[in-house]
Amino acid sequence: GDSVTQMEGPVTLSEEAFLTINCTYTATGYPSLFWYVQYPGEGLQLLLKATKADDKGSNKGFEATYRKETTSFHLEKGSVQVSDSAVYFCALSNTDTGNQFYFGTGTSLTVIP
Amino acid sequence: GAGVSQSPSNKVTEKGKDVELRCDPISGHTALYWYRQSLGQGLEFLIYFQGNSAPDKSGLPSDRFSAERTGGSVSTLTIQRTQQEDSAVYLCASSLGPAGTGELFFGEGSRLTVL
Repeated sequence: GDSVTQMEGPVTLSEEAFLTINCTYTATGYPSLFWYVQYPGEGLQLLLKATKADDKGSNKGFEATYRKETTSFHLEKGSVQVSDSAVYFCALSNTDTGNQFYFGTGTSLTVIP
Repeated sequence: GAGVSQSPSNKVTEKGKDVELRCDPISGHTALYWYRQSLGQGLEFLIYFQGNSAPDKSGLPSDRFSAERTGGSVSTLTIQRTQQEDSAVYLCASSLGPAGTGELFFGEGSRLTVL
């Protein structure tokens, strides 16, 4: 069945460091891919998405490219800030296989000044 | 407010008791999901409602779990005879259209602790 595997955390970086959080997926057909973020004390919110191969989603300096050949959707940011400290979830939805959004286990990021 | 609202935010109950968790989705959103988030785990799908269609209950872990959505709006998740392994954060999300068509908007969750 469809699934998402993402890099385990926690991840601790210094401010202005480069961030990569790996995400790979298993799915039939052509899923849509998402990154959601959960800031401390808040609900999950959409960070970015890509709906077809080679699309790049971007928001708040974060980027992720939908790579069908490697079934990946890695999250990157060139220079993290303290305010980026949060838990990041990779997710997919696939209307070919049902109604669910499949989420990874989440990666906790802490950025220190 | 304009977001997804869940209540209670925290619930502590004794093993064997029944609990009800409520979700008020964003007005006009036809799709509503319940997920469960346990410590160190991803989000576990529980149930999905889309408009007036029969719900997708494929994620409910046992027959102690049930959910309904009245009038295509507010939803209630009921857990009967709670067990300690039911302790988790229960998340509700709504979406403007059917599954896979767009963004999920999440509530802040209901944290359930079963003693």
